[in-house]
Amino acid sequence: AQSVTQLDSQVPVFEEAPVELRCNYSSSVSVYLFWYVQYPNQGLQLLLKYLSGSTLVKGINGFEAEFNKSQTSFHLRKPSVHISDTAEYFCAVTTYSTLTFGKGTMLLVSP
Amino acid sequence: KAGVTQTPRYLIKTRGQQVTLSCSPISGHRSVSWYQQTPGQGLQFLFEYFSETQRNKGNFPGRFSGRQFSNSRSEMNVSTLELGDSALYLCASSLEEGYYEQYFGPGTRLTVT
Repeated sequence: AQSVTQLDSQVPVFEEAPVELRCNYSSSVSVYLFWYVQYPNQGLQLLLKYLSGSTLVKGINGFEAEFNKSQTSFHLRKPSVHISDTAEYFCAVTTYSTLTFGKGTMLLVSP
Repeated sequence: KAGVTQTPRYLIKTRGQQVTLSCSPISGHRSVSWYQQTPGQGLQFLFEYFSETQRNKGNFPGRFSGRQFSNSRSEMNVSTLELGDSALYLCASSLEEGYYEQYFGPGTRLTVT
């Protein structure tokens, strides 16, 4: 079985500042990793994914994440956030097709 | 290409009733998964369907069931509703069984009173 820990339930940040949302996972086998974003009253949108290859993956809206196998982490970063990035972000892992999600991190961007 | 659609978007039911939620996957996608999202438990996997067969099931009571049709559309049913079933129910589709990339619909918000 696998599990995901998102260490911060909320991350407040000012517009144009950099941000990092942390994600750690636990699994006895190799996993595939994802970040999803959820805007109010909407479903989940895939931001980026790590399946194999380069450990630095780039996604939509200027987000990127780095897979670190030794630290079992997959932290999400953006160098400069916008007000429109205010949303809840979920880290997820899978070994086949069933996604296991973290509890989510609410990113609050203020002017 | 149209995304995943779910109907209805909002639903209010009373305890003891049953409810059916519908999901139409992205055209060409053959696998459908369902997730329950609540403030307390977060996002939890309910079940996955592929080729009209349930392939995986999460840790939910038998009151939760689902099915998939030959056109890949899926329905989930919850019988004898309880207050704790109030949640956002999300459907996700993917190309094939075991295909990692899943695309989510907007969800159905179920409120049980």
